[in-house]
Amino acid sequence: QVQLVQSGAEVKKPGASVKVSCKASGYTFTTYGISWLRQAPGQGLEWMGWISGYNGNTNYAQNFQGRVTMTTDTSTRTAYVELRSLRSDDTAVYYCARDPGVARGVILDYWGQGTLVTVSS
Amino acid sequence: QSVLTQPPSVSAAPGQKVTISCSGSSSNIGNNYVSWYQQLPGTAPKLLISENNKRPSGIPDRFSGSKSGTSATLGITGLQTGDEADYYCATWDSSLSAEVFGGGTKVTVL
Repeated sequence: QVQLVQSGAEVKKPGASVKVSCKASGYTFTTYGISWLRQAPGQGLEWMGWISGYNGNTNYAQNFQGRVTMTTDTSTRTAYVELRSLRSDDTAVYYCARDPGVARGVILDYWGQGTLVTVSS
Repeated sequence: QSVLTQPPSVSAAPGQKVTISCSGSSSNIGNNYVSWYQQLPGTAPKLLISENNKRPSGIPDRFSGSKSGTSATLGITGLQTGDEADYYCATWDSSLSAEVFGGGTKVTVL
């Protein structure tokens, strides 16, 4: 069965960086992409960007351009998201989701369990 | 401020039907497929509807999706207490080149 397992909770100081991992199993990693999203406490879902599992091509949301890097390691079937220059409003649960990156649509059919990132001095 | 507009909350008695609207524009809903997600309290979202009206395996037919013009609708019939959750619509926005979401709708079973 398809599973996405994310790394554990993180506590960071303002200005620091955080890197969250998402290990995939149960499907051919290179035939799907991974989207990263986040959800601040009590708020809705915010899409951060997408990375191809095939060739590592990325598409970052404008709000995160210059501050985010998404990568994959196909040998370990793992996707990563790194967010730099953290601020208190980056405190959120970060999710990875399998995303084929289909034209004209969004299909996030499997999700990781979420990783809480807390930014506090 | 979300690109897609959803009502903050809807409610109905057990067994009744609720509908959740999702309003957008020609750059998103008007020319792209809509998907819907259910987020139970304290859990990750779950895909309910893809490509406007397709239910993934395991999703009961009490859940349905439709789209007309620049709006989409999620319907839930035979409402159950287990349906109490937040529901989100999503689509691709061709102008932003980004995946966009509604602000979410909380469904309460009275």
